[in-house]
Amino acid sequence: QSALTQPASVSGSPGQSITISCIGTSSDVGTYNFVSWYQQHPGKAPKVVIYDVSNRPSGISNRFSGSKSGNTASLTISGLQTEDEADYYCSVYTIDNTPLYVFGTGTKVTVL
Amino acid sequence: EVQVVQSGGGQVKPGGSLRLSCAASGFTFRDYTMNWVRQAPGKGLEWVSSINSLNYMYYTDSVKGRFAISRDNARNSLYLQLNSLRAEDTALYYCARKGVGSTPMDYWGQGALVIVSS
Repeated sequence: QSALTQPASVSGSPGQSITISCIGTSSDVGTYNFVSWYQQHPGKAPKVVIYDVSNRPSGISNRFSGSKSGNTASLTISGLQTEDEADYYCSVYTIDNTPLYVFGTGTKVTVL
Repeated sequence: EVQVVQSGGGQVKPGGSLRLSCAASGFTFRDYTMNWVRQAPGKGLEWVSSINSLNYMYYTDSVKGRFAISRDNARNSLYLQLNSLRAEDTALYYCARKGVGSTPMDYWGQGALVIVSS
């Protein structure tokens, strides 16, 4: 099973909104609502910012939101801030299939 | 406080072996599914293996038959035995806890670097 497809890079100015897409197939994104998004700063471990398509873990800013339509999931960051500059990965949990998790190719977010 | 602390890693020749360890604290280890995720230098995340509370094990196809995941609930520890290592296994290996229910990998270790090179 191939990685989910994300744009290599997305950029925006402080205060703007950006959206990152995550394109899968009917076997992963299209079937499962266990879509998560991870933020990874350089040299750091990933940190979950969205799970179950649109849920935010405790402590995550409401500037982060997620959605899904068909085989495509999306992460929107509104009111972009300098600390949002990082790599972002989508992921789908396929419960009992193999691979158990499929990650996206990753998107570098740059705050101009 | 939940903590996941990794040890192990290093440089090994192709065909060699290595064992990674992950020590957990601050939660009831035996109740949680634990995972290994790797990241090749400059590349994206790749799920490697998982073991649930019932000791069911899962592997990505590229490591089946070469890697072995295990857990010691008495020691609150997770392990990954890496055998028959290849250059393409070179990566930073993360240990990560999966949260309860549908919650994803919510606590991650600091990573352990594995370099496979002659």
